[in-house]
Amino acid sequence: DTGVSQDPRHKITKRGQNVTFRCDPISEHNRLYWYRQTLGQGPEFLTYFQNEAQLEKSRLLSDRFSAERPKGSFSTLEIQRTEQGDSAMYLCASITQGTGELFFGEGSRLTVL
Amino acid sequence: GEDVEQSLFLSVREGDSSVINCTYTDSSSTYLYWYKQEPGAGLQLLTYIFSNMDMKQDQRLTVLLNKKDKHLSLRIADTQTGDSAIYFCAESAGGSYIPTFGRGTSLIVHP
Repeated sequence: DTGVSQDPRHKITKRGQNVTFRCDPISEHNRLYWYRQTLGQGPEFLTYFQNEAQLEKSRLLSDRFSAERPKGSFSTLEIQRTEQGDSAMYLCASITQGTGELFFGEGSRLTVL
Repeated sequence: GEDVEQSLFLSVREGDSSVINCTYTDSSSTYLYWYKQEPGAGLQLLTYIFSNMDMKQDQRLTVLLNKKDKHLSLRIADTQTGDSAIYFCAESAGGSYIPTFGRGTSLIVHP
């Protein structure tokens, strides 16, 4: 399967712990996006990368959140000192710039107790 | 800022056509998308349309774009129970190209 893959699919953690999510995009895609989705809402943009450069961050991305894409391939999203309000589905998507085909992974669901 | 609006629910009978509507505000939109999401899953790209088109058909799916009114619709012909899901409309503009999503329309197909 050469789609977008995310790991882990589910994560349950206690408030105050750190968590990290990984996204492996489709191999030839140079743009990678992170979105957050809460119940009953559409995906909300967090940040995106073009190759290894992080080009834009949403105001939703507080100081506790950090994202990297060190070699322009996979990306990680880390949340430090998790809060209950961080509970959500974290979605990764990738695309080749200039085309329309934006593909999403299955998401990583975070539950903060 | 950009805004994408959808009605929240649509209920149809199996075999009928479904039409899901979406309006957006960004007049510089380049691509407009329809995604399907089933419970607990990610978003599945159904189809997308480039802004210089007004219609796109793909098997049971027909997308209509009215750029003047900033209105996008998705028609599903011969709707089946397997089509029950949440459908998201999204638009992206040139330049930064960050897709903005609506809240989704929950499609319920009943026998």
